[in-house]
Amino acid sequence: DVVLTQSPLSLPVTLGQPASISCRSSQSLVHTDGNTYLNWFQQRPGQSPRRLIYKVSNRDSGVPDRFSGSGSGTDFTLKISRVEAEDVGLYYCMQGAPWPYTFGQGTKLEIK
Amino acid sequence: EVQLVESGGGVVQPGGSLRLSCAASGFNFEDSAMHWVRQVPGERLEFVSLIYGDGSVTYYADSVRGRFAISRDNSKNSLYLQMNSLKTEDSALYYCTKDRAGSYEAWGQGTLVTVSS
Repeated sequence: DVVLTQSPLSLPVTLGQPASISCRSSQSLVHTDGNTYLNWFQQRPGQSPRRLIYKVSNRDSGVPDRFSGSGSGTDFTLKISRVEAEDVGLYYCMQGAPWPYTFGQGTKLEIK
Repeated sequence: EVQLVESGGGVVQPGGSLRLSCAASGFNFEDSAMHWVRQVPGERLEFVSLIYGDGSVTYYADSVRGRFAISRDNSKNSLYLQMNSLKTEDSALYYCTKDRAGSYEAWGQGTLVTVSS
């Protein structure tokens, strides 16, 4: 199975400052169809996960444009341009090909 | 609006059984592969099982294969997970999720399973 390794695991950030989370895969996530099925999810305290980004860099409807995803092959990044209080929670990367789907271990974002 | 509502969780002794249900609405259920994903609070999310839209294909994580069975009733827009021979390590919050193109497009609120003597 593909192993996704996130860093850092804990991310204290000052309000208004940028934040960045790395996700590294144990193998290339480029699918034979040319797509890369790397997703990012946010899980606020007490809530279910919510998808933010799909296929590396596509933002879901309703996701603020301060969130962006980038990367290729085995290295991916989620960036928040200016952290707001509502961004506190856990962030997970997840890959959807090859099978089976797997998740990173999560990064906890907190406000300093 | 896509809605997924899980039910059926509870407290059960090791070796016992539980059946989880997920009621889906807001999308064409029979066209969607559905998954169960679980999470021990504060820990990594873990794929448990998947079923294709027509029910023809199922897949299980190694940790549950042979003990859990996923099924669906498209006439009722419902997804199920029969969990047998439960172990303490199966204790988790179980989410019903909608699969679309290598991603989880929607999640339910989860149902809590606690396996304890």
